Amino acid sequence: EAQVTQNPRYLITVTGKKLTVTCSQNMNHEYMSWYRQDPGLGLRQIYYSMNVEVTDKGDVPEGYKVSRKEKRNFPLILESPSPNQTSLYFCASIMTGVGVTEAFFGQGTRLTVV
Amino acid sequence: GDSVTQMEGPVTLSEEAFLTINCTYTATGYPSLFWYVQYPGEGLQLLLKATKADDKGSNKGFEATYRKETTSFHLEKGSVQVSDSAVYFCALSRTNAGKSTFGDGTTLTVKP
Repeated sequence: EAQVTQNPRYLITVTGKKLTVTCSQNMNHEYMSWYRQDPGLGLRQIYYSMNVEVTDKGDVPEGYKVSRKEKRNFPLILESPSPNQTSLYFCASIMTGVGVTEAFFGQGTRLTVV
Repeated sequence: GDSVTQMEGPVTLSEEAFLTINCTYTATGYPSLFWYVQYPGEGLQLLLKATKADDKGSNKGFEATYRKETTSFHLEKGSVQVSDSAVYFCALSRTNAGKSTFGDGTTLTVKP
């Protein structure tokens, strides 16, 4: 079954304590992406990756890091979380081809930074 | 840059009512257009898509037509059900590109 798996689903942490949200896909997609979802702001792209070791900033990259050492994994790293990073985060794995682009989303990670 | 503008919500309808959620976009060239649906507590799922002008995407009774002349991709359903209550996102992306642009989402509530 095609899947995008995020962990954890829920996380409460304190300001400044480094954390990592993991994302894994089993579809062998080259493209992966991270979004945050906030009320009234919709989905905003944080970072995306076109392939192993190739990443680029999205619309709201400040305060986040990513890495892509393997094709299947695309972790999101918050080196020093702050309360304004409290949000719902989604990882997506993107199928691309001639005339085809479709995103498959994980279940989401609800992060609270206190 | 690319942008997507969705009709503001929330939208509340009675069961069996007709649904329209407006979506317009700004983009150069010929992006692909999508509607995603997010049910409570879940991630986004692809509802339908269209990859070129005049294409009609359809799924689960929902339809949307890619209108290049009006840069629109409005979502319609003839008769909504309570189970259609969800948040709907319009989005565009480039072929062979990992970057997608989403609208703000429209919350639909269908009452029995």
